[in-house]
Amino acid sequence: ETGVTQTPRHLVMGMTNKKSLKCEQHLGHNAMYWYKQSAKKPLELMFVYNFKEQTENNSVPSRFSPECPNSSHLFLHLHTLQPEDSALYLCASSRGKGRPGANVLTFGAGSRLTVL
Amino acid sequence: DAKTTQPNSMESNEEEPVHLPCNHSTISGTDYIHWYRQLPSQGPEYVIHGLTSNVNNRMASLAIAEDRKSSTLILHRATLRDAAVYYCILRDMGFRDDKIIFGKGTRLHILP
Repeated sequence: ETGVTQTPRHLVMGMTNKKSLKCEQHLGHNAMYWYKQSAKKPLELMFVYNFKEQTENNSVPSRFSPECPNSSHLFLHLHTLQPEDSALYLCASSRGKGRPGANVLTFGAGSRLTVL
Repeated sequence: DAKTTQPNSMESNEEEPVHLPCNHSTISGTDYIHWYRQLPSQGPEYVIHGLTSNVNNRMASLAIAEDRKSSTLILHRATLRDAAVYYCILRDMGFRDDKIIFGKGTRLHILP
């Protein structure tokens, strides 16, 4: 257990479904991140939130919709996904922008998504 | 973040030291050097970080070149559990932005 909890760990969905991934941290961090990791590819940054405000959107298609209701929770809402969206979705947290220091990232275990 | 360059893969024998290199020739004076590793079927985990001086912790050591343009992660006695992808990234000290980009990393194979 790293302090960042992701649910569900595994998700299978059809292309017409709507589902959500959830991330929760109780480390007192103010920044939260979504990364996508496809098979044999580097981690791709998707979204960053600092103090609940979105500060990075790395040209992610609109079928992925993030939500950050507070600094401890982050969601990724999924709708009308494509099979190529199948991947491991990783959430991370850190102290956040403008906080001097090493600002280490803490990752969750990931949510393995399969789109049929 | 400034770009880093790492070998795609490395092999080492169990119970021997491993030196994982990272080049970061465009590092700025305010960049920390971070190392993370990703074990199979898990999210990345923090290993170690440094700024200018060499660093040691229970997991590894970090040797930083005097000009800071390269660094080396040292695993003193590799075990099979150290087989993972190791990522070297740079993080600005003041963190003017949060666009933290990971490269392909180095896949470390440990031979029994």
